[in-house]
Amino acid sequence: SQTIHQWPATLVQPVGSPLSLECTVEGTSNPNLYWYRQAAGRGLQLLFYSVGIGQISSEVPQNLSASRPQDRQFILSSKKLLLSDSGFYLCAWSVTAEKLFFGSGTQLSVL
Amino acid sequence: DAKTTQPPSMDCAEGRAANLPCNHSTISGNEYVYWYRQIHSQGPQYIIHGLKNNETNEMASLIITEDRKSSTLILPHATLRDTAVYYCIVRRAGGTSYGKLTFGQGTILTVHP
Repeated sequence: SQTIHQWPATLVQPVGSPLSLECTVEGTSNPNLYWYRQAAGRGLQLLFYSVGIGQISSEVPQNLSASRPQDRQFILSSKKLLLSDSGFYLCAWSVTAEKLFFGSGTQLSVL
Repeated sequence: DAKTTQPPSMDCAEGRAANLPCNHSTISGNEYVYWYRQIHSQGPQYIIHGLKNNETNEMASLIITEDRKSSTLILPHATLRDTAVYYCIVRRAGGTSYGKLTFGQGTILTVHP
């Protein structure tokens, strides 16, 4: 069966520090991969999606970047975190467009 | 993708059916209705989706009106673990949308003993 791993579960980082969140998927090949963010009290916002290795599409201009170095690995990064980067970050995968499967999320607090 | 409107919150007694409404009056003929839910501090979970026929799976039933302008998600026997935010999403199937979902504010369903 397919599983998605996302870590860490919680992270506290100072403003200006770098960020690297990793997500891996098991049990499927060539999945579509996504990074979503949920700010406090708000809905989920799609940040990036990828349909293959090295293929990244950005949905909103921001301080973050994404990379897909391997088929089932998706990384969210920042060189210098801002206060506004705080939020709940979710990785997701799909094979068909109808169903997305989400990871357990990373709660990022930038102080 | 069509916009959806949901009540901000609903209550339901444990063991009773929970009926969550969603309005999507601008839905197009090729747009599906999807339901996800998000339990506190977890990632969203897919529940069900449909085009125009009613759908049922092990989690819930989806009733779509004949004009497709509204739908209702039914949890037949709600439990305390069904307390979550429920999102109704309308989007085209396939194409180049690559599973991009637009999550609104959803409905906070509280199941009480």
